[in-house]
Amino acid sequence: DAGITQSPRHKVTETGTPVTLRCHQTENHRYMYWYRQDPGHGLRLIHYSYGVKDTDKGEVSDGYSVSRSKTEDFLLTLESATSSQTSVYFCAIRQGLGNTGELFFGEGSRLTVL
Amino acid sequence: GESVGLHLPTLSVQEGDNSIINCAYSNSASDYFIWYKQESGKGPQFIIDIRSNMDKRQGQRVTVLLNKTVKHLSLQIAATQPGDSAVYFCAETPNTDKLIFGTGTRLQVFP
Repeated sequence: DAGITQSPRHKVTETGTPVTLRCHQTENHRYMYWYRQDPGHGLRLIHYSYGVKDTDKGEVSDGYSVSRSKTEDFLLTLESATSSQTSVYFCAIRQGLGNTGELFFGEGSRLTVL
Repeated sequence: GESVGLHLPTLSVQEGDNSIINCAYSNSASDYFIWYKQESGKGPQFIIDIRSNMDKRQGQRVTVLLNKTVKHLSLQIAATQPGDSAVYFCAETPNTDKLIFGTGTRLQVFP
């Protein structure tokens, strides 16, 4: 499982509340990713990190922020959750350097915004 | 684990037959491609990859074919088994850091 843990695994919240999802890895990988998965869209990249304090935007970054203050943790924050952010969120780590090496995914976090 | 109810193209095959799952990718600059399998309630799992300097790569019961001319990728599964039932995604790397996924195909295997 590449030592990836996502928390919480399930969360229900109300529109306008802040939410933080945590991705924790135990194998010191440089690259970490946050994806969301929705019907009809597959997996879409939100943000990714290529090192401590080094992050960049993906395809669907609006409404999300990330932080990586240490190698093992990559946090995804919804400052003010909206119903359109109801989704399953997957964290992934990449083995290898640059554009080689596959991604290994966590088990996902289901977020429901009412 | 987690899953979503995906409204996806579906391929139905009989157990023991070969399966072919197709994918059209979008970026001609992509030079690395991966196929993933996602079972219900789980995260995607790596199956096989291929670099753009290759046309074909084989694994255990799986083969990936790459046609760069028409930006097409396919995954062939030999002697399909019930355990192969899942959603399959292709993914491309348009630059050094990002991996972009297709929308997926559901494979259903019937006895």
